[in-house]
Amino acid sequence: DTGVSQDPRHKITKRGQNVTFRCDPISEHNRLYWYRQTLGQGPEFLTYFQNEAQLEKSRLLSDRFSAERPKGSFSTLEIQRTEQGDSAMYLCASSPRGAVSYEQYFGPGTRLTVT
Amino acid sequence: GQNIDQPTEMTATEGAIVQINCTYQTSGFNGLFWYQQHAGEAPTFLSYNVLDGLEEKGRFSSFLSRSKGYSYLLLKELQMKDSASYLCAVRVRAGTASKLTFGTGTRLQVTL
Repeated sequence: DTGVSQDPRHKITKRGQNVTFRCDPISEHNRLYWYRQTLGQGPEFLTYFQNEAQLEKSRLLSDRFSAERPKGSFSTLEIQRTEQGDSAMYLCASSPRGAVSYEQYFGPGTRLTVT
Repeated sequence: GQNIDQPTEMTATEGAIVQINCTYQTSGFNGLFWYQQHAGEAPTFLSYNVLDGLEEKGRFSSFLSRSKGYSYLLLKELQMKDSASYLCAVRVRAGTASKLTFGTGTRLQVTL
């Protein structure tokens, strides 16, 4: 069990460019979450997958954001036409099926800087 | 919506005990979590409470009172490595989702 992994760890992009992040959850975890965290704040929920189905999406997620989990394993988060306000740490978390506490295991995050 | 409050910063001495409080207002409460986050790293799970009372896990304990919308995290025998942010998070029932709503975190500085 190697834990939740995210790629890339850091991304610097110019305003207006598109970026895509990848998350590999712990194997056999059927629940996957994306959060965004800015400096001095707690993580904010963006979206949630159970297997390949996207079951909830925050109002924070504008039309420029899209997430997929095509085979119920890894997930991608794409941001189109990036803005400086998108600069943040993007965290992915996963949790197992049927866990009593539904503890979420976080990945190391992708730090996005939009210049 | 949900509202979660916790102090922004705390300072404590190595070897001492510190209590970090968290108050919340939410509908559909379905559990409270505490996470530790070192600067630049991912949050790591510390504790989970869904029923009233105290949960003890080594040097860390967490308490919940659902009627008061209140929780605390107690850290005993503080060590320098405990310097980190401590995040209180509430889980709410939302269909089949179990998303967490986090507070802003309490930055704890442990000094000699």
